[in-house]
Amino acid sequence: NAGVTQTPKFRVLKTGQSMTLLCAQDMNHEYMYWYRQDPGMGLRLIHYSVGEGTTAKGEVPDGYNVSRLKKQNFLLGLESAAPSQTSVYFCASNKREASSLEQYFGPGTRLTVT
Amino acid sequence: ELKVEQNPLFLSMQEGKNYTIYCNYSTTSDRLYWYRQDPGKSLESLFVLLSNGAVKQEGRLMASLDTKARLSTLHITAAVHDLSATYFCAVDIHKLVFGAGTILRVKS
Repeated sequence: NAGVTQTPKFRVLKTGQSMTLLCAQDMNHEYMYWYRQDPGMGLRLIHYSVGEGTTAKGEVPDGYNVSRLKKQNFLLGLESAAPSQTSVYFCASNKREASSLEQYFGPGTRLTVT
Repeated sequence: ELKVEQNPLFLSMQEGKNYTIYCNYSTTSDRLYWYRQDPGKSLESLFVLLSNGAVKQEGRLMASLDTKARLSTLHITAAVHDLSATYFCAVDIHKLVFGAGTILRVKS
């Protein structure tokens, strides 16, 4: 049981390049999330998904797109990277339970845009 | 818009001392979570608080939730160096909204 995994762990992009971050979970969780973490700002929600084939915008969705074609995978895309997207990106997942949204986090992807 | 405020944002304390981290939030919620993050690592769930008056303890850490005051506390008892990390609270409004985090440094 690997939990939540993210690929890649590190990436350096030039402004204008595109890339896709992959999140995979093997816990059969319905809900998946993408966050970015910047110094002094905690985690901010980019996009999330409540099930296969569904996605929704979070707090800071601009410049990102997502897809959830399979229940276990949640992809985050940057179509045209900007220096402001330099950050650490975390994926998280949780079961669909009315009582708790306790989330399980992946190891993170450190992205630098030059 | 929900605001989640943690204080202090940075805490340097001596081993053996006690201290409390506060998490205030601006809208109604009766569910709150505490996470720990070590430098360069991911977030690890510490406590899940699901009702008013909830209190959870694990080792030297104790978390509580007062939904009427919209306040959660994370109390550290007799701090040890291994507790050095960043601690986040997250409020549940059908999605999680995180505080900015409290950087805790325990000095030997």
